[in-house]
Amino acid sequence: GAVVSQHPSRVICKSGTSVKIECRSLDFQATTMFWYRQFPKQSLMLMATSNEGSKATYEQGVEKDKFLINHASLTLSTLTVTSAHPEDSSFYICSARGGTSPSEQYFGPGTRLTVT
Amino acid sequence: SQQGEEDPQALSIQEGENATMNCSYKTSINNLQWYRQNSGRGLVHLILIRSNEREKHSGRLRVTLDTSKKSSSLLITASRAADTASYFCATRGDDKIIFGKGTRLHILP
Repeated sequence: GAVVSQHPSRVICKSGTSVKIECRSLDFQATTMFWYRQFPKQSLMLMATSNEGSKATYEQGVEKDKFLINHASLTLSTLTVTSAHPEDSSFYICSARGGTSPSEQYFGPGTRLTVT
Repeated sequence: SQQGEEDPQALSIQEGENATMNCSYKTSINNLQWYRQNSGRGLVHLILIRSNEREKHSGRLRVTLDTSKKSSSLLITASRAADTASYFCATRGDDKIIFGKGTRLHILP
């Protein structure tokens, strides 16, 4: 089956620094990738959608200058949280669509970000 | 933006009992999916029901979909301790999957 990985699984960074999270489709080419954020005991909120080679489309209320998304290849998308603050601490989950089942969407295991 | 609303938000039942969770949504959908998430972990896909289907079964899971009422239900029969988790419905409309608020299910021994 289609596998999506995320790296790192956990990261702790200091306030004011930037942190990058990688999302990879391991056995298929992902034409579209999605980034979600989940605060404790809440649901997943879609942050942005990115198509390979194009600029990401951000959901309303998501700061595109703060959450930089790069989908430079068909197997890799990155989310960079710039100038992180404690309120950015959250669980970030990526999802990918493509391959032989282009309508299916596969989710990564998530990255726990803690900003101190 | 969030589309689905789960009901109840939290549910505690005795092991062996059946658990029913409901989900309502607002716009037209192509399909509706249910996911499970253990605390602090990733999502586990449970079942997908298409907009032209009314009921679907998978093991101890039974999902119904009523597109006229824009609602779905997830029934877990003969619950087990391992079923303790959060359950989310997710709807796919145009081009993206939107999640509901979720139900936190706790199975009591």
